[in-house]
Parts: sequence; structure tokens; C-alpha cells
Amino acid sequence: AQKITQTQPGMFVQEKEAVTLDCTYDTSDPSYGLFWYKQPSSGEMIFLIYQGSYDQQNATEGRYSLNFQKARKSANLVISASQLGDSAMYFCAMRVLGGGSNYKLTFGKGTLLTVNP
Amino acid sequence: DVKVTQSSRYLVKRTGEKVFLECVQDMDHENMFWYRQDPGLGLRLIYFSYDVKMKEKGDIPEGYSVSREKKERFSLILESASTNQTSMYLCASSSRLMFSNQPQHFGDGTRLSIL
Repeated sequence: AQKITQTQPGMFVQEKEAVTLDCTYDTSDPSYGLFWYKQPSSGEMIFLIYQGSYDQQNATEGRYSLNFQKARKSANLVISASQLGDSAMYFCAMRVLGGGSNYKLTFGKGTLLTVNP
Repeated sequence: DVKVTQSSRYLVKRTGEKVFLECVQDMDHENMFWYRQDPGLGLRLIYFSYDVKMKEKGDIPEGYSVSREKKERFSLILESASTNQTSMYLCASSSRLMFSNQPQHFGDGTRLSIL
């Protein structure tokens, strides 16, 4: 079974600073993908960034980057130059690509990020 | 851009009612999903559909059913609503998984209260 652990229920960061949101995962499958989503207070889930288990480089998308440490089974999200609009709930999710359940996303419980002015 | 539309943002129903939550996507996606989201529990998959009239149970299907008569529409049905089904419900869609990096695209969610 797959499991995602986000150990930080809440995080605070000052505007313009960088922040790292932690995510560890557990799977025995060698092929998997890791996703980060942002959920503002309005409720919609916004896809941010993806990392594949065989990707050689860490993923980056604008101010978002993923610190992928495969041996440690961690996929931490780094947000650089935080903005007030980054205040939201952030979810880490994993999809295993083998077997019959390759449609399923397993989500962590989320981290609530608050950016202070 | 992918658009996933849920019929209601807020819904209030009474215990024992039959409740329908509707979801429509405009990207011709094969896969559609229903999740519920509760504080401290993250998102949990209720049901999944990979094609018209096809469905699979997720992690918490009890008390729910689904219907997919057309490719673009996926309905979640609470057969007899109970107070423990008060939650945020999120619909998502994705293309058939030819590539591992295909994300699921979500609707804005429906906050359902059962009184």
C-alpha cells in the first residue's frame, strides 16, 4: 500500500522568503509519480509540479521546485520568494504506475502555509 | 485550459434525502473521480470511472454510488444522506494515463451539509 506523510500541519513564512514543505512517501513500486497541489481557501485544487521516479533532475516550475531525494523517499516542495497569494493548503500526492491501480492518487493530509507580510 | 465544473458550491440537505452531486468536464477525459475532503484526513477517493458506464470503488465507497452515462458527466449519489457525510466533495478528471505525468484536474468543490 502507498502512503504519503506530510509532518507539518502548519507553516509560517515571511513574504519574499523561501519555504520548504515536507513530504515523505512509502511504496515498494519502482515506478511512481509525485504531485504537489495547492488549495486556496476558495477550495479549488491547483496542480503545481510533478516529479517522476526515474527523472534524473529535480522538477522546477517557476517559483516552485521539488527537492527529490529518492533514497530517503522524500519529495519536498520549495517555494522561493513567497507571496501573500501563496497562503493556502498544500497537498503532496503519489501515483504508482504498476499494477491495476495506476489511476489512483494517494494524498497526504496537507500543510497549511501562511505567508506573513 | 481544462474545466471541471461541479454543479453546486454549497448544498444543504436533510438526513435520509437522496442527494445528487454533478460534475462535468470539457476536455474529453476518460477518467473521472470523486473525492471527499475532511480536515486532518486529506482527500480520500470515493469512486472512480475510467469510461462511460464503468466504475470502480475507491477507498471509502460505503453510502455512495455513482453514475456515468456520458463521457463528460460523472454523478455522485448519496442514497440516504447521513450527518457523517457532511464534507467537502471534489470531482476530478484526467486523460487516460499514457504518460505518468498526467495530473488530475479538479473542480471547485461542493461543501455539503447534512442536517
